[in-house]
Amino acid sequence: DQQVKQNSPSLSVQEGRISILNCDYTNSMFDYFLWYKKYPAEGPTFLISISSIKDKNEDGRFTVFLNKSAKHLSLHIVPSQPGDSAVYFCAASQVGSARQLTFGSGTQLTVLP
Amino acid sequence: DGGITQSPKYLFRKEGQNVTLSCEQNLNHDAMYWYRQDPGQGLRLIYYSQIVNDFQKGDIAEGYSVSREKKESFPLTVTSAQKNPTAFYLCASNRSKQRGEAFFGQGTRLTVV
Repeated sequence: DQQVKQNSPSLSVQEGRISILNCDYTNSMFDYFLWYKKYPAEGPTFLISISSIKDKNEDGRFTVFLNKSAKHLSLHIVPSQPGDSAVYFCAASQVGSARQLTFGSGTQLTVLP
Repeated sequence: DGGITQSPKYLFRKEGQNVTLSCEQNLNHDAMYWYRQDPGQGLRLIYYSQIVNDFQKGDIAEGYSVSREKKESFPLTVTSAQKNPTAFYLCASNRSKQRGEAFFGQGTRLTVV
């Protein structure tokens, strides 16, 4: 049973436009959510996170939105750049745990020049 | 530079052999984790450790073993009992039980020949 789901395996966006990556979760005990960026044959790198007590967190071109009632979060990248092309993973951890992360299956973002 | 070092980058194993993947961190993190990534899938948790000489099974621990004799080191052994060991293995660490991003190593690509 997948507790974190990324239903779009791929997304293509024109350079300069907005990229919106979506993630849904089922475990109501998750209280911390993260987005990672990954290139092939490399480890994921952290992008941005959000606590369940917030509904928005912004860092430069990256903004994460959290809708707890819908158990949905999204990552907005504005403006998108060709260097943003990578696989993006949504991850979550829960209160009372060792903070191990549960990952979605990832979304391949391609930013076209 | 602080970080996580995984070695080797590429590893080939004959069927029926055990093989050990190395993971070292100098971030002074208490918690360390092993994940496995298969093509088109997210990262799945194999084992994790919150403290020296203690570790817990993750979602897919069968066929794997770990040790945590030092805070800095968390080696993973892929045993002959693992039915499908060919995958990309990632080690991570963070401050145990605290919200915050996990830092990942560069990964080890294991191929069974």
